[in-house]
Amino acid sequence: EAQVTQNPRYLITVTGKKLTVTCSQNMNHEYMSWYRQDPGLGLRQIYYSMNVEVTDKGDVPEGYKVSRKEKRNFPLILESPSPNQTSLYFCASSYGFGGGNTEAFFGQGTRLTVV
Amino acid sequence: GQNIDQPTEMTATEGAIVQINCTYQTSGFNGLFWYQQHAGEAPTFLSYNVLDGLEEKGRFSSFLSRSKGYSYLLLKELQMKDSASYLCAVRDPDSGYALNFGKGTSLLVTP
Repeated sequence: EAQVTQNPRYLITVTGKKLTVTCSQNMNHEYMSWYRQDPGLGLRQIYYSMNVEVTDKGDVPEGYKVSRKEKRNFPLILESPSPNQTSLYFCASSYGFGGGNTEAFFGQGTRLTVV
Repeated sequence: GQNIDQPTEMTATEGAIVQINCTYQTSGFNGLFWYQQHAGEAPTFLSYNVLDGLEEKGRFSSFLSRSKGYSYLLLKELQMKDSASYLCAVRDPDSGYALNFGKGTSLLVTP
C-alpha cells in the first residue's frame, strides 16, 4: 500500500530535550516536506526537499532541522524544543514538482506537546 | 509573498450543493489543489486544476480562473460525512514548488 508513515503519532516532551520525528514514504517520491498545523493559522511549511541531499527552508524553519540522506526518509529534528513548537506536524511527499498533477500524500500526523 | 483566502466557516444542509471559494495572490503558479481534512486526520487530495475551467470528479467539481486568481470547490448532494475542513493550496515554483495552503474552510453539514 502506498503510504507516508510518521512516527510517533503522539509525543509529550519537555523543553530542551532533543527529539526526532521520522517520516518514510514507499512511493519513490522525489519531493518531501514538513508542515505544522496550528488553529487559525492553517498548514505552514517548515522545510522541504527536492531530492536526496537537497533541502531548503520553508516559511517557518526556525528551531527545526531536517536531513535527506535517502530518498524514502525525511526526519524532522527539534534540537531544543520549546513550548511554541507544540503543534500538529505533517510530513508529505509527491512525485516530482514540475508539471502535471503532483498531488501531495500526507502522513497521519504527529501531535507534539512541549511542556 | 503568498496570500490565499477562503471563508473560515460554512454551513449547508444534507442533500444540498455548496460552493467554497478560494482567492489567491502568489508570486508564481503551478497548479491549484483542494484537499479535505477531517478533524485530527491527514489532508486527503480532492482535485487539481492547472488550466482555466471546470474539473469534475463525481460529487466534487473544482473551477479555476488564473486571470482572476480564483477557484471554487463545488460539492453536490451533500452527505453528513462531508463535514470537514477544505483546504485550498497553490503550488508556487518561485518558492521551491511549495504547496502554500489557505487557512481552510470548515464545512458543517446539517440534517
